[in-house]
Amino acid sequence: QKEVEQNSGPLSVPEGAIASLNCTYSDRGSQSFFWYRQYSGKSPELIMSIYSNGDKEDGRFTAQLNKASQYVSLLIRDSQPSDSATYLCAIHTGNQFYFGTGTSLTVIP
Amino acid sequence: NAGVMQNPRHLVRRRGQEARLRCSPMKGHSHVYWYRQLPEEGLKFMVYLQKENIIDESGMPKERFSAEFPKEGPSILRIQQVVRGDSAAYFCASSPFGPQGINEQYFGPGTRLTVT
Repeated sequence: QKEVEQNSGPLSVPEGAIASLNCTYSDRGSQSFFWYRQYSGKSPELIMSIYSNGDKEDGRFTAQLNKASQYVSLLIRDSQPSDSATYLCAIHTGNQFYFGTGTSLTVIP
Repeated sequence: NAGVMQNPRHLVRRRGQEARLRCSPMKGHSHVYWYRQLPEEGLKFMVYLQKENIIDESGMPKERFSAEFPKEGPSILRIQQVVRGDSAAYFCASSPFGPQGINEQYFGPGTRLTVT
């Protein structure tokens, strides 16, 4: 079983809509959770970090964590074409960070 | 405040040669992680280092690969006798704190290694 699972997509949403990205993880001991955005040919860029159950909002982004269900999500409100990228979910367990394979998001103008 | 720096950005090596990838962490960061990313695949952890110490190298192949983070200078990922399967993007990330702290990682631009 993979440490971090994400739907690879592609996920397409119209401009202005809410994009919802989901991630599940296997290690109940994980304490730190992250969302990264990666444009094609570029390096991952940190968008959100979340450490406790509940919601965390930053601008158009909201991260949601449910440790009991081992589930992390990212909501992008008012999606823009510039949000089109691959979104990586990452968890920190022990000394290592584990990344999902990413969900490809396309925002259609 | 400069971000994480990596060089070279692109590296071409023939089979059997050595590849040296360098990473300078963000100012104030003493924790460095190396990852490999193959096309259409996720980031794979390779090694975690602090200054002068390898903390966790469980993700690194036992042969041909080595990493260091000296007291002075950048962290170096070294691949000896490269093979075509080593062709990938190699990313370095740095963090201000270790596993017990707020451990957000910031990535460098990566080195694209091509083995011919």
